[in-house]
Amino acid sequence: NAGVTQTPKFRILKIGQSMTLQCTQDMNHNYMYWYRQDPGMGLKLIYYSVGAGITDKGEVPNGYNVSRSTTEDFPLRLELAAPSQTSVYFCASSYLAGPGEQYFGPGTRLTVT
Amino acid sequence: GENVEQHPSTLSVQEGDSAVIKCTYSDSASNYFPWYKQELGKRPQLIIDIRSNVGEKKDQRIAVTLNKTAKHFSLHITETQPEDSAVYFCAASPPPISNFGNEKLTFGTGTRLTIIP
Repeated sequence: NAGVTQTPKFRILKIGQSMTLQCTQDMNHNYMYWYRQDPGMGLKLIYYSVGAGITDKGEVPNGYNVSRSTTEDFPLRLELAAPSQTSVYFCASSYLAGPGEQYFGPGTRLTVT
Repeated sequence: GENVEQHPSTLSVQEGDSAVIKCTYSDSASNYFPWYKQELGKRPQLIIDIRSNVGEKKDQRIAVTLNKTAKHFSLHITETQPEDSAVYFCAASPPPISNFGNEKLTFGTGTRLTIIP
């Protein structure tokens, strides 16, 4: 299994541009998550999904959108990029319907200038 | 919502000595407490977790203790080795609030552990 994969690895955006961060998992996990990690800070939850067609906001959802049309894919959309969205973005997935291990992707380093 | 505080933010330990990282949480209903290790430029990976029905859990050189009354939990690493150098994150998760379950984790701000050879 490839586990959780993310593309791209790096991206530079200009203010106001849009982009989609891709996330795919091949472990048949129901739960998927998007986090952002700012320097010296922990991981902040942006959005999560408990299954195809079901998503909900996390702690810091403003400026982002998500969709979950399949079990495998959970893309994160930035519509109008702002410098405050400069961060490392991690996608994660988990299987259990109760608390359990989350498997993280390799991350996407995004810079907005 | 849940708030997790983690201390210290940096920790340097002589190789072979022990390291202890502490976290406190605010929501008394939280019942799952994982620890993740993140090496430089890598993804976070789970190293150990504990649920609220136990007070301590060990896995080789790593142990986690939980004090529900005081709402704090700690990571203990014994006989530290250079490969233990990384950033460690604690997290807390409340119980499910719907039929769909709730695995939302609140993370601490991390501890950068450096092992001095």
